[in-house]
Amino acid sequence: AQKVTQAQTEISVVEKEDVTLDCVYETRDTTYYLFWYKQPPSGELVFLIRRNSFDEQNEISGRYSWNFQKSTSSFNFTITASQVVDSAVYFCALDTRDDKIIFGKGTRLHILP
Amino acid sequence: NAGVTQTPKFRVLKTGQSMTLLCAQDMNHEYMYWYRQDPGMGLRLIHYSVGEGTTAKGEVPDGYNVSRLKKQNFLLGLESAAPSQTSVYFCASSYSIAEDSTGELFFGEGSRLTVL
Repeated sequence: AQKVTQAQTEISVVEKEDVTLDCVYETRDTTYYLFWYKQPPSGELVFLIRRNSFDEQNEISGRYSWNFQKSTSSFNFTITASQVVDSAVYFCALDTRDDKIIFGKGTRLHILP
Repeated sequence: NAGVTQTPKFRVLKTGQSMTLLCAQDMNHEYMYWYRQDPGMGLRLIHYSVGEGTTAKGEVPDGYNVSRLKKQNFLLGLESAAPSQTSVYFCASSYSIAEDSTGELFFGEGSRLTVL
């Protein structure tokens, strides 16, 4: 069965600190896709990244970076030099061959000024 | 470009009433999904569709029915609403990149449903 675990329910950091959000997934498929989405206080869901299971290269986009490690079934998300606007709920999601896209329970991130 | 539109945005029902949530997308996407979001539970997949005329069960399908008669529309029905169905419902659509591969999800703004 497919499963996504985001063990950190809530995290608070002071602005400008770095923060890492953890995502651990379970699947028996060899081909799968991983995603991160952001849900700011306004409620909309914003796509951040999509990564396929064959691409283990880390990705960096501005202050955001993602570390994909198949050996530990993890796809962690790091925000460098956090800002108050980064305060949101962040979801990790898994898409496997059965076309179900399953989400973790999310991590609520508070960036304190 | 409207993207994904959900109607209604808010609804209050009494236990036992029925209703339909409409999701419409104008991006010609093959895939459509219905999720519910509850505090502490993340987004849970109710039903999804991989194309016109097809539907499949997600993680929490009980108490809901869906239909995809037209490619652009995905309807979520509650036949007999229960207080446990009080939630925020999100519709999403996605496109096919290759066989067994979809792109990112495009979400609607959500529909807040309260069942008394």
